[in-house]
Amino acid sequence: DIQMTQSPSSLSASVGDRVTITCRASQSISSYLNWYQQKPGKAPKLLIYAASSLQSGVSLRFSGSGSGTDFTLTISSLQPEDFATYSCQQSYSTPFTFGPGTKVDIK
Amino acid sequence: QLQLQESGSGLVKPSQTLSLTCAVSGGSLSSGGYSWSWIRQPPGKGLEWIGNIYHSGSTYYNPSLKSRVTISVDRSKNQFSLKLSSVTAADTAVYYCARGRNPTPYYFDYWGQGTLVTVSS
Repeated sequence: DIQMTQSPSSLSASVGDRVTITCRASQSISSYLNWYQQKPGKAPKLLIYAASSLQSGVSLRFSGSGSGTDFTLTISSLQPEDFATYSCQQSYSTPFTFGPGTKVDIK
Repeated sequence: QLQLQESGSGLVKPSQTLSLTCAVSGGSLSSGGYSWSWIRQPPGKGLEWIGNIYHSGSTYYNPSLKSRVTISVDRSKNQFSLKLSSVTAADTAVYYCARGRNPTPYYFDYWGQGTLVTVSS
C-alpha cells in the first residue's frame, strides 16, 4: 500500500494568513493526488484533484501543487469558513489511501 | 444534483455482520465513468477506503478487509450496499458512501452524510 503522511498535524492561524500544508507519498504517485476539506460531523469535500486542478465551485484561494512524492495545499488568505481538517488522498493505485489529516484552527 | 444517503443498523454486536445501503438520487448507478465506494472513519482518526463497485459490476476491495467485505448493487433501486462480516470494536466508525470519478484522474466528488456504526455487545 502507498502510505500518505502530512505535515503539520495541526496548525493555528489567523484570518488572512497564508497557510501551506504538505503531503508526502511513500512512492511516486505522479499527479494522482487529491485534497479534501472536512468540518466536524460532516463528510469530506473535494477541493483539489490531480494535484492542482480546482474542483468546480471551490474558492480560488485554494491551490495545489506538486508531483511525484511531494505535494502542497495552499490557502492564500485564510477565511473563517476555512477552519477545518484537510486530508490528502492518492488515486495512483488501489487501495486508495488518505493522509492522517491536518487540523487548521483559530489562533 | 446528485445525492447519496447511507442507511442501516447503527449498532452491531461483535462477530455479527454490518450491513449498510447507500441510496443514490439525482443520477444513475449505471452511468459510465463512475464507481461507487465505501469509506470509513474511526472516531478521531483518518479516512480508510473499504472498496468500490463499477457500473459493470466489478468490485475492488482493500486487501486489509477483503476477506470480510462484500459490495453489491441493486440497479432497480439505484442503490449499493456494504456487508462487513465478523465485526469487532475496531470496525466502529462513521461509514460514508461516495462516488468516484474515473478513469483517471480518479477522485471522490460526491459523498453521503455518513452514518455512525458502533460495534458493541
